[in-house]
Order: sequence, then C-alpha cells, then structure tokens
Amino acid sequence: DTEVTQTPKHLVMGMTNKKSLKCEQHMGHRAMYWYKQKAKKPPELMFVYSYEKLSINESVPSRFSPECPNSSLLNLHLHALQPEDSALYLCASSPRAARTGGSGTEAFFGQGTRLTVV
Amino acid sequence: ILNVEQSPQSLHVQEGDSTNFTCSFPSSNFYALHWYRWETAKSPEALFVMTLNGDEKKKGRISATLNTKEGYSYLYIKGSQPEDSATYLCAFSSGNEKLTFGTGTRLTIIP
Repeated sequence: DTEVTQTPKHLVMGMTNKKSLKCEQHMGHRAMYWYKQKAKKPPELMFVYSYEKLSINESVPSRFSPECPNSSLLNLHLHALQPEDSALYLCASSPRAARTGGSGTEAFFGQGTRLTVV
Repeated sequence: ILNVEQSPQSLHVQEGDSTNFTCSFPSSNFYALHWYRWETAKSPEALFVMTLNGDEKKKGRISATLNTKEGYSYLYIKGSQPEDSATYLCAFSSGNEKLTFGTGTRLTIIP
C-alpha cells in the first residue's frame, strides 16, 4: 500500500463551524506533513510531525490545530476559519524524519481536501 | 525566505517533441532537490530526489540534472506524450523536514 488517503475530498464550512481533516498512511512512514495550496501558488508547509511529535509549525494561526494520534494518522482540526483559508489542503508522508536524514527521501502525497469557508 | 523559482510558468509542446524546464534554488545550505509531477485531480507524484552536485537521474523518458554550486536543476522530457501533461514542481530542502516548492511549470502536450 503506497497510498496516502485524505478525507473528505471536499469540505464546505461556515466560519463558526468546527471540522477536521483526516490523513492516513500505512507505509510505516515516520514523518507526516500538512501543506496548504492556494490557486496558482506553490504548496506551503504548515506542520510537520516527526515520530508522532510536532517538529515544525510554520507560524500557522491557532484556528488550525494538528494532531497525530499514532504513526499512521494525522488530523487537522479547523475552528473559526476565515474565507481566506479556503484552499487545497495536502497531506504527505515520508519514510525518514529529520534526525535520520529527512527530506532526502521522496514525499508521498494524498489527493488533498478542497476546503471552502463561507 | 527561500526563493525557489521555476521557468517557464507554462509550456505547450507538440507530441513527439522534447522539452526541458528549469528550477532555481538557493546554492547555500543545500540538502536535496525534489521533482514532482502533479496531474489534475491526482496526487503529486515524486519523480526524483537529488542530493549530489552533478547528479543525473533518469526514469523512462524523463531525466533531471543538478548543479548545487550554481543553484539550478533541469528536467528533460524526451519524445513528449499526452500523458506527460501535468504541472511539474521542484522542491528545495536544506536538511530539516521542510520542502520549499517552486510555483511549477504547467506542461501541455498538443496531440
């Protein structure tokens, strides 16, 4: 199984809603990532989990709250989002985390969740 | 702020022709350079991860070269096919787990 599965594929939420994005991989990867991509822009890193611990937070607003319950699962909890948070949210995983040479191995991406905040 | 630039932004190529495009990245603190292919409605898919200056990698009709001293990588596609139509992204790593992506080159193959 070389897939990263993201659910849901599409999400529309109001500014007062609370929702969660889910990402799952069963490749035994120890690094997992959330990226945000707005139209015609490159994917931008939001968070990195390395061995189930948060290792990088790219100064993301607290209305985005990541969680890594186990080595296969990564969640992104959303609360009180703004319309400008509408974007494609991509999850990725890679075999090695930084202390064993991270980013020297390919990342495997999910198809993304297309989020619209109304 | 790291600057990773790709050119051209978009490209139309006749089927059967060969093409190439460029990724420019910082030449300091280099650890790895990744290339990904992203087809519409699919996941980005890794093509190459390159770490050594002078590296050349090949996968079928696609190949890539790396010059870390001057901070650029080229991606080549030989004998373009319609299935090569996609956005090609490069991503720079300085050794932590962060990948900084370029804006991509959107390639369209004209049958």
